[in-house]
Amino acid sequence: ILNVEQSPQSLHVQEGDSTNFTCSFPSSNFYALHWYRWETAKSPEALFVMTLNGDEKKKGRISATLNTKEGYSYLYIKGSQPEDSATYLCAFIHTGGFKTIFGAGTRLFVKA
Amino acid sequence: EAGVAQSPRYKIIEKRQSVAFWCNPISGHATLYWYQQILGQGPKLLIQFQNNGVVDDSQLPKDRFSAERLKGVDSTLKIQPAKLEDSAVYLCASSLKGQGVREAFFGQGTRLTVV
Repeated sequence: ILNVEQSPQSLHVQEGDSTNFTCSFPSSNFYALHWYRWETAKSPEALFVMTLNGDEKKKGRISATLNTKEGYSYLYIKGSQPEDSATYLCAFIHTGGFKTIFGAGTRLFVKA
Repeated sequence: EAGVAQSPRYKIIEKRQSVAFWCNPISGHATLYWYQQILGQGPKLLIQFQNNGVVDDSQLPKDRFSAERLKGVDSTLKIQPAKLEDSAVYLCASSLKGQGVREAFFGQGTRLTVV
């Protein structure tokens, strides 16, 4: 059974803090890893699509890294703002049928 | 560009009743997904369509769940009869091709409560 783990489960930070989350996935049969942000009452929104070992992606204050050999990805948020409060999901796509397996998410709360 | 549309947003039904959800994907997106997200868990793929053909329905409880995608555009997901454990958010998503190097675009979901 393929498992995708995200940690921590939830995180409370103050406005201005920098933070990071982890997504762990199987290190074999890797095809791609996606990060999504899901704000309450909205649709999950894609942040990054990562495909190559060593990939680093950045969008504004949010960045992500990928290590396919050891099976993990980090998502970083620099200078957290209240509008960053959301659930951050990672999705692992493996070469066996190109199935997508989501982690349970990290719930981020940013206090003003 | 219009996003993925889903309806209804919320539904409360009694166990053993039937319910149907509707999804209209982004125009031109060949791949459509239905996910079930139970509180505290990640979204679980129920079924994936490529145009109007089923690519993967290995996790669809076929004794009570059914889905169709007529003419390769809109899709409906039905539960008949519903059980308490079906309470979840049902997300529809679409992508240009299979989800791999292309991200999926999600609707807002339907929150189903079975009482």
